[in-house]
Amino acid sequence: QKEVEQNSGPLSVPEGAIASLNCTYSDRGSQSFFWYRQYSGKSPELIMFIYSNGDKEDGRFTAQLNKASQYVSLLIRDSQPSDSATYLCAVNAGNQFYFGTGTSLTVIP
Amino acid sequence: DVKVTQSSRYLVKRTGEKVFLECVQDMDHENMFWYRQDPGLGLRLIYFSYDVKMKEKGDIPEGYSVSREKKERFSLILESASTNQTSMYLCASSLALDRGYTFGSGTRLTVV
Repeated sequence: QKEVEQNSGPLSVPEGAIASLNCTYSDRGSQSFFWYRQYSGKSPELIMFIYSNGDKEDGRFTAQLNKASQYVSLLIRDSQPSDSATYLCAVNAGNQFYFGTGTSLTVIP
Repeated sequence: DVKVTQSSRYLVKRTGEKVFLECVQDMDHENMFWYRQDPGLGLRLIYFSYDVKMKEKGDIPEGYSVSREKKERFSLILESASTNQTSMYLCASSLALDRGYTFGSGTRLTVV
């Protein structure tokens, strides 16, 4: 059973702070790792992907991957109220994706 | 940008009805997927397809079937709708699995 685990939260941070979202996965053969953002009542949208160990930065978002420890994280710097959403971690292993159940983030103005 | 269009945003159907959910993508993607999303259970894969007329069962195919007669269209069929199939249904498309998915806007199906 391939599993992707996320802390469901809710996670609350004040506006301007750093939000840290974490994800662990069970399949060591996983190759690609993704973060999706899902606003309430909407479908998920891809915001970051990472393939190699280390950090990948895109604007206020940084994805971090540690394959040896089997975790991937997402940092959101200078958090804004518009970042309030559920964040889904997804892992590609073989011919499928496996999703975590998501972490709910609330940014408090 | 890839657009994945699901034909209905909200549907209400009666128990026992045959239900068709349609999904169309406009970027010639070979890979298409159907998920359902339920609170606390996350996204669960129902069926997927890597090519026309090809289909593979996902984690929860029971009570569902699919059709892919054209590359751009992937249909999900509920043969005899039941109340436990009330859910948000999400279609997704992908050029390559290491590039992630693009999701449609979702269909919220209620079976009464």
